[in-house]
Amino acid sequence: AQRVTQPEKLLSVFKGAPVELKCNYSYSGSPELFWYVQYSRQRLQLLLRHISRESIKGFTADLNKGETSFHLKKPFAQEEDSAMYYCALEELGNEKLTFGTGTRLTIIP
Amino acid sequence: EPEVTQTPSHQVTQMGQEVILRCVPISNHLYFYWYRQILGQKVEFLVSFYNNEISEKSEIFDDQFSVERPDGSNFTLKIRSTKLEDSAMYFCASRRRTGGGDEQFFGPGTRLTVL
Repeated sequence: AQRVTQPEKLLSVFKGAPVELKCNYSYSGSPELFWYVQYSRQRLQLLLRHISRESIKGFTADLNKGETSFHLKKPFAQEEDSAMYYCALEELGNEKLTFGTGTRLTIIP
Repeated sequence: EPEVTQTPSHQVTQMGQEVILRCVPISNHLYFYWYRQILGQKVEFLVSFYNNEISEKSEIFDDQFSVERPDGSNFTLKIRSTKLEDSAMYFCASRRRTGGGDEQFFGPGTRLTVL
């Protein structure tokens, strides 16, 4: 069965410092990987997906199949980045998202 | 920008009662989902729905749960006889198509409290 691990429940980073939110997965096939973000009192929304290889709000994530990782990175944290971040996996040919437990990111001014 | 909506935002019920959680997916979407998140735990898949039938369900989605799309716009989740452990945040999601990294759009959630 597929599994998504986010080892850090909480992460605090100073404004302007680099951010890295870790995500590891276990899945035997070719996964589709996503990062969802939930700002305070708002709904889950897609931040980025590995298939599009884009940068959103300064965040990037690279799929490393050798290390089975999809870490989320941003070179310079901003206060508005404070939120809950969820890594999620979708199996090829399947529909459901398997989520990690999430990391609460707090940016210290 | 169109959004998935859910009602009510908070539902309190007594153990053993039936509840219906309602969702209005984005209008041109064809695939619909329910997820739940027990406080402090991860978001878990419950069920997916396409072409008026369940396409996949998790082991959580037992006989107490059912889904339907009664009128072509609403998508409902019914829990027949609620248990204390059904207390959770329930999220509805929809998407246009599957595959190709297509995004699932989430609703704001319904917080269900079973007393």
